[in-house]
Amino acid sequence: EAGVTQFPSHSVIEKGQTVTLRCDPISGHDNLYWYRRVMGKEIKFLLHFVKESKQDESGMPNNRFLAERTGGTYSTLKVQPAELEDSGVYFCASSQYDSITEAFFGQGTRLTVV
Amino acid sequence: AQSVTQLGSHVSVSEGALVLLRCNYSSSVPPYLFWYVQYPNQGLQLLLKYTSAATLVKGINGFEAEFKKSETSFHLTKPSAHMSDAAEYFCASYMEYGNKLVFGAGTILRVKS
Repeated sequence: EAGVTQFPSHSVIEKGQTVTLRCDPISGHDNLYWYRRVMGKEIKFLLHFVKESKQDESGMPNNRFLAERTGGTYSTLKVQPAELEDSGVYFCASSQYDSITEAFFGQGTRLTVV
Repeated sequence: AQSVTQLGSHVSVSEGALVLLRCNYSSSVPPYLFWYVQYPNQGLQLLLKYTSAATLVKGINGFEAEFKKSETSFHLTKPSAHMSDAAEYFCASYMEYGNKLVFGAGTILRVKS
């Protein structure tokens, strides 16, 4: 069974550009979570989808970040325009049941904004 | 606010030595607690979790952690380090209200031969 897959694994973009990160959850998992780790800091919650609906987006830092999950399958996280402080590792996780404690994490996307 | 503190951003041990990674939590109510590991170029993998049952929790790869309410600690141990244990380890607590994990800053474990 495939795990949570994230694309790309690394991305280097210039300040002001747009980047889209993608997460493919485990098949059948209705719950999808985004977390991120800004360099050297803690991993922090961004948002939680249940199917295609945003259950909780309280962790989204500002309106430059847009997450979508059309059709309730894969999810994208777009950063537009990217700023230097957006650099870090973005993790996605998915779970069958509505609890992050049962979730499986992907390998993360390392985003570097220069 | 709930928080998790990991003491030591880097820990270095010799192969075969005891591994001790420290984690303290702050919560008015004993939370669920977790240890995750991230090996190079891999995702976060659950090592073990405490969910208010036994205070000594055994996980994968020979790791275990003990929940001590009096010390608000959940330290991770392994009796004998192996080179393959070199990775970054994260302690986390679960916020039931809000369904979120609160992570510590991580500890990089280096194992010397």
